[in-house]
Amino acid sequence: AQSVAQPEDQVNVAEGNPLTVKCTYSVSGNPYLFWYVQYPNRGLQFLLKYITGDNLVKGSYGFEAEFNKSQTSFHLKKPSALVSDSALYFCAVRDGGGGSYIPTFGRGTSLIVHP
Amino acid sequence: DSGVTQTPKHLITATGQRVTLRCSPRSGDLSVYWYQQSLDQGLQFLIQYYNGEERAKGNILERFSAQQFPDLHSELNLSSLELGDSALYFCASSLTGTNTGELFFGEGSRLTVL
Repeated sequence: AQSVAQPEDQVNVAEGNPLTVKCTYSVSGNPYLFWYVQYPNRGLQFLLKYITGDNLVKGSYGFEAEFNKSQTSFHLKKPSALVSDSALYFCAVRDGGGGSYIPTFGRGTSLIVHP
Repeated sequence: DSGVTQTPKHLITATGQRVTLRCSPRSGDLSVYWYQQSLDQGLQFLIQYYNGEERAKGNILERFSAQQFPDLHSELNLSSLELGDSALYFCASSLTGTNTGELFFGEGSRLTVL
């Protein structure tokens, strides 16, 4: 079975400060990892993914994420937060080792960036 | 704009009724996924279709059914509706059924059961 945990329901950060949204995962094979963002009354939008290769992945809107195999984590980061980054962020995982092809999503973390 | 179209955007109905939600995938995508998003359950996978055939099934109730048509659009049918079925229903699409890439989500259909 595969699972994702986003330990924080909400993250608050001041504009201009760095932000981190945490994600840990569990899969039996190689993890394929994804981050999505959901703005109010909108669908989920893809931000970035890790399939293989460099552990630091860069994505849309200045976001990046670091894959850490030993800690089974894939935290989302941004060096300088913007008020417009305020949204709901979802981490997702699927088993790249031939298990379920369906990504499992975390419960989401609400990011609030204060002016 | 993801290219995935869902209708209707909002739907209000009564308990016991039946509704149909429609999804048109991105041009060229063969696979369609249905998810249910609620405050207490998060984003739950319901069912996946690939090129007209059911590929994977998740936590879909027996009162719910879906299909994918030859033109690749998909419909999710919800019957004998209960208050607890109130949620946001998302459709997503991808090129293949076993992709390593991302899913493209529609903006959802918000169902309210009164």
